[in-house]
Amino acid sequence: GENVEQHPSTLSVQEGDSAVIKCTYSDSASNYFPWYKQELGKGPQLIIDIRSNVGEKKDQRIAVTLNKTAKHFSLHITETQPEDSAVYFCAVSTNQFYFGTGTSLTVIP
Amino acid sequence: DTAVSQTPKYLVTQMGNDKSIKCEQNLGHDTMYWYKQDSKKFLKIMFSYNNKELIINETVPNRFSPKSPDKAHLNLHINSLELGDSAVYFCASSPFGQGVYGYTFGSGTRLTVV
Repeated sequence: GENVEQHPSTLSVQEGDSAVIKCTYSDSASNYFPWYKQELGKGPQLIIDIRSNVGEKKDQRIAVTLNKTAKHFSLHITETQPEDSAVYFCAVSTNQFYFGTGTSLTVIP
Repeated sequence: DTAVSQTPKYLVTQMGNDKSIKCEQNLGHDTMYWYKQDSKKFLKIMFSYNNKELIINETVPNRFSPKSPDKAHLNLHINSLELGDSAVYFCASSPFGQGVYGYTFGSGTRLTVV
């Protein structure tokens, strides 16, 4: 099956700085790469996704980049705010979902 | 309206008991799932079900059984609860099955077995 690695497991940044979370995968047939944000006491929520025919996608302060050759994709959050503090999960999909192990992001005011 | 709703939000019970967690989605999605999230936040799939096919993660003990009265509901029944079953359980749904679109998750049920 697919092997998804996510790094770092914890990340602390100052408010206003950028945060980058990276995931690698093993199955070259993977074609869909979503990112989820899980706030305390809530379920994971889809925040952005990218498909294998696109290299980059941006939505306001959030962007995802995909390198199919190297089999890795990254979540970029710019101008971080305290409300960005949460656990972030990447996922990789072929005919089923495989989640990364999560990154706990803390934005320090 | 909540898209994927789970009840109860918290469940505390003794070892050996049988309990159920209910899940309902009003998105018209075809496929529903149950995930277990442990204390390290790892998300582990337990079941996926699309009213035609039930796919069971082979690591899930047979004390766990999904029950789907209709397309909008997928309940989780657990027999003979054990301490290790303590976790947060998430229901989710997606259109057309896995791998096509992102999931919509419920808010979770925190199960504590004492």
